[in-house]
Amino acid sequence: DAKTTQPPSMDCAEGRAANLPCNHSTISGNEYVYWYRQIHSQGPQYIIHGLKNNETNEMASLIITEDRKSSTLILPHATLRDTAVYYCIVRVASLAAGNKLTFGGGTRVLVKP
Amino acid sequence: DGGITQSPKYLFRKEGQNVTLSCEQNLNHDAMYWYRQDPGQGLRLIYYSQIVNDFQKGDIAEGYSVSREKKESFPLTVTSAQKNPTAFYLCASSRTSGTIAKNIQYFGAGTRLSVL
Repeated sequence: DAKTTQPPSMDCAEGRAANLPCNHSTISGNEYVYWYRQIHSQGPQYIIHGLKNNETNEMASLIITEDRKSSTLILPHATLRDTAVYYCIVRVASLAAGNKLTFGGGTRVLVKP
Repeated sequence: DGGITQSPKYLFRKEGQNVTLSCEQNLNHDAMYWYRQDPGQGLRLIYYSQIVNDFQKGDIAEGYSVSREKKESFPLTVTSAQKNPTAFYLCASSRTSGTIAKNIQYFGAGTRLSVL
């Protein structure tokens, strides 16, 4: 699976949009981009995933560049409950690959009032 | 309530002791996973199972053992061979059918293991 690079931490203001970058310059054509988040001392929570098109759901939007070498997770209106570590994961969606997730260090996001 | 239940929430191990962490899911998922998380680090895969009576080693399987006798259950045993077992252990499950990319992993609340 391709390696990802994320900033170790970032702050954002409550009510504003939070834009979380992720670099995955070695991504291959059959690898998807997934985002999970982990609130302190809890299990990770799935947020969103995509292959090459931009995606949006009730939690967030995922913007993937045309060359697919980077992506941005957007939390449109950050709340204090969005304070968490956010993980960007790139993986092949394949049973043969074991459907495994490889977690890096993530970005520690602190939403401030 | 559908979900993944891990127990106990906190567990203490004495030197040389084996301990077993429980993971039960009622989501009817075929696949289950065990991860280990050290403070300030990401998760690392210990073992995974895609079907009953079958499982594969992950990246850090040494010192751990698992069984998958029932679809709903995937217990993890931390053996005395695991010299540094203090960590946060997370269990997850996912489907294996349909669109593979949409087979999201759902996680339990975790078990925090410490050595006495």
